[in-house]
Amino acid sequence: AQTVTQSQPEMSVQEAETVTLSCTYDTSESDYYLFWYKQPPSRQMILVIRQEAYKQQNATENRFSVNFQKAAKSFSLKISDSQLGDAAMYFCAYRSAESGGGADGLTFGKGTHLIIQP
Amino acid sequence: GAVVSQHPSWVICKSGTSVKIECRSLDFQATTMFWYRQFPKQSLMLMATSNEGSKATYEQGVEKDKFLINHASLTLSTLTVTSAHPEDSSFYICSARDWGLPLNEQFFGPGTRLTVL
Repeated sequence: AQTVTQSQPEMSVQEAETVTLSCTYDTSESDYYLFWYKQPPSRQMILVIRQEAYKQQNATENRFSVNFQKAAKSFSLKISDSQLGDAAMYFCAYRSAESGGGADGLTFGKGTHLIIQP
Repeated sequence: GAVVSQHPSWVICKSGTSVKIECRSLDFQATTMFWYRQFPKQSLMLMATSNEGSKATYEQGVEKDKFLINHASLTLSTLTVTSAHPEDSSFYICSARDWGLPLNEQFFGPGTRLTVL
């Protein structure tokens, strides 16, 4: 079974600064997807960024980028120019790409609570 | 983007009663839907995978007879919590997969808060 570990229960950053959230995972599969989701107080899950394991290039979405280290099984999220609206719980998630049959829900880490200080 | 709705958003029930939660994909067909459970200040845990027209696949440790899942159409899956007890109080979130999108992306509903008295 796959596991996802987020070792930072809470992180705090000054507005406009950069913050990096850590995520490691354990799997024996070679083909998979990794995601970062944001959950604001409304509790609606919002996809921030995704990474396909077979792609070496790190994914980037505007102020959000990842550092994907497949050999180390590490998938950190960097948020640049932090904004007040970035305050939320951030979950790292894993999804197999090998099952094929649709029985491949997401495995989530425990989350990191990101606080943005004005 | 694709929209997934859940109904109700919040339900309070008495211990021993059953509660049904609906998950709908509003603008796409979802042959696969997922049900997650989230306890306060904790992560989401996958409960089951729901495939249209077939039986749901439950994760280890999830009681099939307690959490009944029905996926009768391409846009609707329901989760029924039978004989609910206070320990079933939680936040239940569904997601639906759009097979037409790259990576067969999942879209999440807004969640349903269940409180069992």
